[in-house]
Amino acid sequence: GEDVEQSLFLSVREGDSSVINCTYTDSSSTYLYWYKQEPGAGLQLLTYIFSNMDMKQDQRLTVLLNKKDKHLSLRIADTQTGDSAIYFCAESRSGGYNKLIFGAGTRLAVHP
Amino acid sequence: EAQVTQNPRYLITVTGKKLTVTCSQNMNHEYMSWYRQDPGLGLRQIYYSMNVEVTDKGDVPEGYKVSRKEKRNFPLILESPSPNQTSLYFCASSRSPGQSNEKLFFGSGTQLSVL
Repeated sequence: GEDVEQSLFLSVREGDSSVINCTYTDSSSTYLYWYKQEPGAGLQLLTYIFSNMDMKQDQRLTVLLNKKDKHLSLRIADTQTGDSAIYFCAESRSGGYNKLIFGAGTRLAVHP
Repeated sequence: EAQVTQNPRYLITVTGKKLTVTCSQNMNHEYMSWYRQDPGLGLRQIYYSMNVEVTDKGDVPEGYKVSRKEKRNFPLILESPSPNQTSLYFCASSRSPGQSNEKLFFGSGTQLSVL
């Protein structure tokens, strides 16, 4: 199938690390993305990883890719209230153009 | 400021009354696309356009039309809206669709309710 799957909710305490997980199905995907959607806004690209990498770090964000298991994760260190949002995992499928297949999104709630 | 602008932000209409949601980008992007977002389903692509006068169906095109007469504009048309088209709609654009790491820029969304 074409599914990209994510858990729907995650609740963390402020200052802790958050880990959002995603599984995808297409082993030929070239790039995998994490998008962030804040309330009432569109999606913003947070980070992406090329499929031949297994880790990418960008300030508080760490992306881990297990290509064998088709598993992608986003770790947010020192989670803040401003990180509360919906996080979407997406994979790109080649074949004429860059088609993105999105997961259903994980709602991250950060509490004091 | 580089942006994708959608209008209206909110729209309530009745079944069968034709409507258009506009989308405009000021970045000279070749690629534009429409998505709908529904709870538990993520974003699903409705239509996309690789360039002026070139449009193609996405995964859920039924009940929708698009046009790309100018590079900057990509309106979404619902000729006869039905309640199952109640959704949050996003327009997106990117410089070129050919590169897999090309960043997609999203509009702020249009919340449509069809009664």
